[in-house]
Amino acid sequence: DQQVKQNSPSLSVQEGRISILNCDYTNSMFDYFLWYKKYPAEGPTFLISISSIKDKNEDGRFTVFLNKSAKHLSLHIVPSQPGDSAVYFCAARGAGSYQLTFGKGTKLSVIP
Amino acid sequence: DGGITQSPKYLFRKEGQNVTLSCEQNLNHDAMYWYRQDPGQGLRLIYYSQIVNDFQKGDIAEGYSVSREKKESFPLTVTSAQKNPTAFYLCASSVGGRTEAFFGQGTRLTVV
Repeated sequence: DQQVKQNSPSLSVQEGRISILNCDYTNSMFDYFLWYKKYPAEGPTFLISISSIKDKNEDGRFTVFLNKSAKHLSLHIVPSQPGDSAVYFCAARGAGSYQLTFGKGTKLSVIP
Repeated sequence: DGGITQSPKYLFRKEGQNVTLSCEQNLNHDAMYWYRQDPGQGLRLIYYSQIVNDFQKGDIAEGYSVSREKKESFPLTVTSAQKNPTAFYLCASSVGGRTEAFFGQGTRLTVV
């Protein structure tokens, strides 16, 4: 049973517009959430994280929102750039755990 | 430059042979991890190690073995008991369990 779900396998966005990637989780013990970006045949690169004590975290063009009651988080990229085209993975970790549980990823294509 | 080095990038083995994937880090991180990625899938945890001489099974440990004799090194052996070993293998490390994990570039293993 998937504990971290990314229900959109792919997303296309025009350059300069906002990209919104969504992630849902089922395990209420998760208290730390991360987003990674991955290019083909490379390792994932850490983008941004959020602790469950917050509902928003920003880093430049990237903002992550957390809605604990809905068990939902989203990554906003503004403005989107062609170099943002990659697969984005949502990951979650439980309190006291070393294990990261990943979603299946969303492939973002930013069209020039 | 600090980072995580996985070698080789591509590896071919005959069915029934054991194979060892190398992972070295010079980030002075305590924790290290091995993940597996299959097409269209998220990353699944094979093994992780919080400190030297200690390691724990992840979600899909069957058919794999690891060792952690040095802080810098966490090799993964794919044994002949692993039913479907062809995959992209990713090594990662983190300062502890409460921080983001940094990934190597991956090893693509193909068993023929």
